[in-house]
Amino acid sequence: KAGVTQTPRYLIKTRGQQVTLSCSPISGHRSVSWYQQTPGQGLQFLFEYFSETQRNKGNFPGRFSGRQFSNSRSEMNVSTLELGDSALYLCASSLAMGDTQYFGPGTRLTVL
Amino acid sequence: GQNIDQPTEMTATEGAIVQINCTYQTSGFNGLFWYQQHAGEAPTFLSYNVLDGLEEKGRFSSFLSRSKGYSYLLLKELQMKDSASYLCAVRANPSGGSYIPTFGRGTSLIVHP
Repeated sequence: KAGVTQTPRYLIKTRGQQVTLSCSPISGHRSVSWYQQTPGQGLQFLFEYFSETQRNKGNFPGRFSGRQFSNSRSEMNVSTLELGDSALYLCASSLAMGDTQYFGPGTRLTVL
Repeated sequence: GQNIDQPTEMTATEGAIVQINCTYQTSGFNGLFWYQQHAGEAPTFLSYNVLDGLEEKGRFSSFLSRSKGYSYLLLKELQMKDSASYLCAVRANPSGGSYIPTFGRGTSLIVHP
């Protein structure tokens, strides 16, 4: 069974731009969560989607948003990028909410 | 809020045993996970504890004490490839809503010959 895939793997943007990241969960997994990982803050929860609805949200500004499609694939969007948004963005999927999460390889975003 | 503490860095010798501790403070606790993350890679699932006691899986074991808010990951017969960051994550619903996983900052384990 294929694992979680994320595209793109690397991205360079400038301040003020917006970016969309994509995540395809493991086949059969219906829950997708997004995390931001930085050296200073560690792994921080952004939001979780299940059945195309955002079920949980972490403590991030409204510039961070996401959505989930009927096939469970998910996208997250960051608008008006700031230098501090430079991070590794990880997507994790699970069969259902609260189950063991399996992580994708991440998207490394650099904001210049 | 939730608070999860684990040591920042540990070193050990190949072939030895190492114990990585994790303490947490939360309400609505519903399980604790351990993940391994090699540099430049995504975290991979190691273990899950929801009841008190020891869960053994090959060279890796994880222990949980809910009353003490304490867990540890035990790695036996250490190998060089075990050099990685080990993340402790607590699943809880402190507000009574859905369960959200909160991760510790991770413990960087360095295994030397």
